[in-house]
Amino acid sequence: QKEVEQNSGPLSVPEGAIASLNCTYSDRGSQSFFWYRQYSGKSPELIMSIYSNGDKEDGRFTAQLNKASQYVSLLIRDSQPSDSATYLCAVRPDGNQGGKLIFGQGTELSVKP
Amino acid sequence: NAGVTQTPKFQVLKTGQSMTLQCAQDMNHNSMYWYRQDPGMGLRLIYYSASEGTTDKGEVPNGYNVSRLNKREFSLRLESAAPSQTSVYFCASRAASTDTQYFGPGTRLTVL
Repeated sequence: QKEVEQNSGPLSVPEGAIASLNCTYSDRGSQSFFWYRQYSGKSPELIMSIYSNGDKEDGRFTAQLNKASQYVSLLIRDSQPSDSATYLCAVRPDGNQGGKLIFGQGTELSVKP
Repeated sequence: NAGVTQTPKFQVLKTGQSMTLQCAQDMNHNSMYWYRQDPGMGLRLIYYSASEGTTDKGEVPNGYNVSRLNKREFSLRLESAAPSQTSVYFCASRAASTDTQYFGPGTRLTVL
């Protein structure tokens, strides 16, 4: 069973702080990694994708990938109350056809004003 | 563009009843997916369709059937609903060029 694991939280950070969200995966051959944000009662939306080891930055968001450790993380700098949501890590397993993804259970983030 | 649309938004069924969840996308995507989301479980793939005319099982296909009616539409059918199928169901389609899945608004299904 290919798995993606996240801490379910809730993770609570003060406004302006850095929020760090973590994800581990079991399929060593996985090549594609995604972070989705889901507001309560809404559908998931993609915020970051990463394919190579290292960091990828987009505005206040930075995704970090370490394939050797089978670990992917998301950093949110200058956290805002509007960042309060559940963050879903998703992985495309090796040899995957059809673009299907395996999702973690999500980490709930709460940013306190 | 409407993106991915789903109907109905809410549904209550009795055990043993059947229903079909409808999904359509207007983005000309080849691949479409059905997920269910339960508290603390994340999204679990039920079925997917890599292209028009093909469908494949995902992680939790038991109790469901799908039809890829055409490139736009991908429906999910519950033949005999069970309380364990109470969940939120999301349909998604994938843009191959950006490797992004776009999700519909979801259907909240309760089986009594």
